[in-house]
Amino acid sequence: AQTVTQSQPEMSVQEAETVTLSCTYDTSENNYYLFWYKQPPSRQMILVIRQEAYKQQNATENRFSVNFQKAAKSFSLKISDSQLGDTAMYFCAFMKHASGGSNYKLTFGKGTLLTVNP
Amino acid sequence: ETGVTQSPTHLIKTRGQQVTLRCSSQSGHNTVSWYQQALGQGPQFIFQYYREEENGRGNFPPRFSGLQFPNYSSELNVNALELDDSALYLCASSLEGSIKFYEQYFGPGTRLTVT
Repeated sequence: AQTVTQSQPEMSVQEAETVTLSCTYDTSENNYYLFWYKQPPSRQMILVIRQEAYKQQNATENRFSVNFQKAAKSFSLKISDSQLGDTAMYFCAFMKHASGGSNYKLTFGKGTLLTVNP
Repeated sequence: ETGVTQSPTHLIKTRGQQVTLRCSSQSGHNTVSWYQQALGQGPQFIFQYYREEENGRGNFPPRFSGLQFPNYSSELNVNALELDDSALYLCASSLEGSIKFYEQYFGPGTRLTVT
């Protein structure tokens, strides 16, 4: 079974600064996907960024980037130029590449509550 | 293109009752997954439906059941409600067979309170 660990229950950052959220995972799979989801107070879970394990290049989406270390099973999220709207719960999630009719389920960490201060 | 919608937004039930939660998938998506998110926790996978068939289940008892309809809308049914079933229930749709089959799009959730 896969597990996802987010060791920072809460973090805060000043507006316009940079913050990094940590995530580690445990799996025996070689082919999988990693995600960061954002859940603001409105509760809607929004996909922030994804990383395919077979890709060595770290994913980037505008102000969001990841540091994917496959050997260390680490997947951190860096948010640059933090904005007030980034305030939310952030979840790291794992999905193994299923085959033969198996399902594609997400395994989530417990989340990190990020507060961006003005 | 419409997003994922869920109804109702909030629901209060009494222990022992039964509840049905509904989800309308994003247009064209053929797969729906349901998750339970207890307060202060990450979502936990309940089950997934693909083309109206259950396609995998998490560690939830049989009193949690589901349906997916030909239009790809779906229901989550919970029988014999327990206090611990109080949670936010999220559905997520995806398109198996597409290049981005692994991307799941979530609805806003249904907050269930069991008293």
